[in-house]
Amino acid sequence: DVKVTQSSRYLVKRTGEKVFLECVQDMDHENMFWYRQDPGLGLRLIYFSYDVKMKEKGDIPEGYSVSREKKERFSLILESASTNQTSMYLCASLTRGGSEKLFFGSGTQLSVL
Amino acid sequence: GESVGLHLPTLSVQEGDNSIINCAYSNSASDYFIWYKQESGKGPQFIIDIRSNMDKRQGQRVTVLLNKTVKHLSLQIAATQPGDSAVYFCAESLMEYGNKLVFGAGTILRVKS
Repeated sequence: DVKVTQSSRYLVKRTGEKVFLECVQDMDHENMFWYRQDPGLGLRLIYFSYDVKMKEKGDIPEGYSVSREKKERFSLILESASTNQTSMYLCASLTRGGSEKLFFGSGTQLSVL
Repeated sequence: GESVGLHLPTLSVQEGDNSIINCAYSNSASDYFIWYKQESGKGPQFIIDIRSNMDKRQGQRVTVLLNKTVKHLSLQIAATQPGDSAVYFCAESLMEYGNKLVFGAGTILRVKS
C-alpha cells in the first residue's frame, strides 16, 4: 500500500514563528501536493510539485512556501505563522500517468496562537 | 447534498439501508470525478471515480452516478455499515492531474445501529 507520512499529527505554534510541515511518500510518486482543510470549505490546494526542485502555486499560496529537494519529501513552510493559518494540512502524492488517484497522509492539525 | 459554506450537510441512515450522497459540481467542462471518504483522524481515501463519458460506475457496495445535464454526481452505498460513517467529498477535474481537482465541502454520513 502507498504510504504518505506526515511528521506531526498536532502542532501548536505562536504567531510569527517559522513552521515546517514535513511529508514523505514511499511509492516513488512524481507529484506531491499540500492542501489545507477547513470546516465547510473542503480541501484547498496550496502548492504542488511535479518533480524534484519544481513547484507550482495552487489556489491559496499566500503565506506559504514549499521545498522539494528529494523526490520522496515535500515540505510546506509557513515563513511567519498567523492565526488565520490555523487549519488541518493534508499532504498527498500522485503517480504520473495511469492512475489519477491522490493518496493522502493523515494530516497535521496546526494551531497558531 | 454538498454545498460550499460553513455547515456540512449530514445524512443519517439506519444500518443496512442504502445511502445516497449528492454533489453538485460547478464546471460543465469537468471530465473526471472522484469520491473520497474521510474518517475521523485520517486523511481522505479514494473510493471510486468516473469519467465524463460514463454515467454510471460500480464498485464494491458503491455506485457513482453522473448526470452531466444538471451537473450532478451521486454516491450510492448499499447496505450501509457503521464503518461507512465518515465525511464524503466529491471532487471534479478538468484534466488527469491532481492539481486540477476541485473538492466539494463534504457531506457527513452517520450510520445508526
